Amino acid sequence: AQSVTQPDIHITVSEGASLELRCNYSYGATPYLFWYVQSPGQGLQLLLKYFSGDTLVQGIKGFEAEFKRSQSSFNLRKPSVHWSDAAEYFCAVGNTGGFKTIFGAGTRLFVKA
Amino acid sequence: DTAVSQTPKYLVTQMGNDKSIKCEQNLGHDTMYWYKQDSKKFLKIMFSYNNKELIINETVPNRFSPKSPDKAHLNLHINSLELGDSAVYFCASSQERGTGVQPQHFGDGTRLSIL
Repeated sequence: AQSVTQPDIHITVSEGASLELRCNYSYGATPYLFWYVQSPGQGLQLLLKYFSGDTLVQGIKGFEAEFKRSQSSFNLRKPSVHWSDAAEYFCAVGNTGGFKTIFGAGTRLFVKA
Repeated sequence: DTAVSQTPKYLVTQMGNDKSIKCEQNLGHDTMYWYKQDSKKFLKIMFSYNNKELIINETVPNRFSPKSPDKAHLNLHINSLELGDSAVYFCASSQERGTGVQPQHFGDGTRLSIL
């Protein structure tokens, strides 16, 4: 069965510092992987996705993620965090048949001045 | 202009009542979803409709009944509301291609509070 683990419930980084949010997945076939961001009071917004090909994918707002099959990981990174990046981040895995996406429990990012 | 819109944004009601949440998308997508997000932000899929047909029903109590009158609309009716139904309900849509799940566009959510 598909599953997604985000080991960190919350992370605090200083503005301007680099960021890495961890995500591990479990899926039998090649996964469809996503990172979404949720700001307070809003719905989820897609940051980036990985379906196949280059294992380093670029997303919006300066985010990138790297797919590592050997580690079953899809970690999200940003070289320099801005205060506006404070939000909840969700990693998700979708099945190849379509229609079903499993979300991780989320990582809350706090940004300090 | 909003891609996926839900109404109402807030819903406060008493236990035992029946309520509905409406969702509309103007993206031309063929698949729509309902998710429940609990107080710990855990997001769980409830239903998925593709071209007005129910595709996923994730062991949701039958007090919850989705209805899709057309591809652009997916409504959620809840009977006999219970305290445990308090949550934020999100509608989402995607354009499925049959080759793997596609990115979803989410509404801003409906915060349901049961008194």
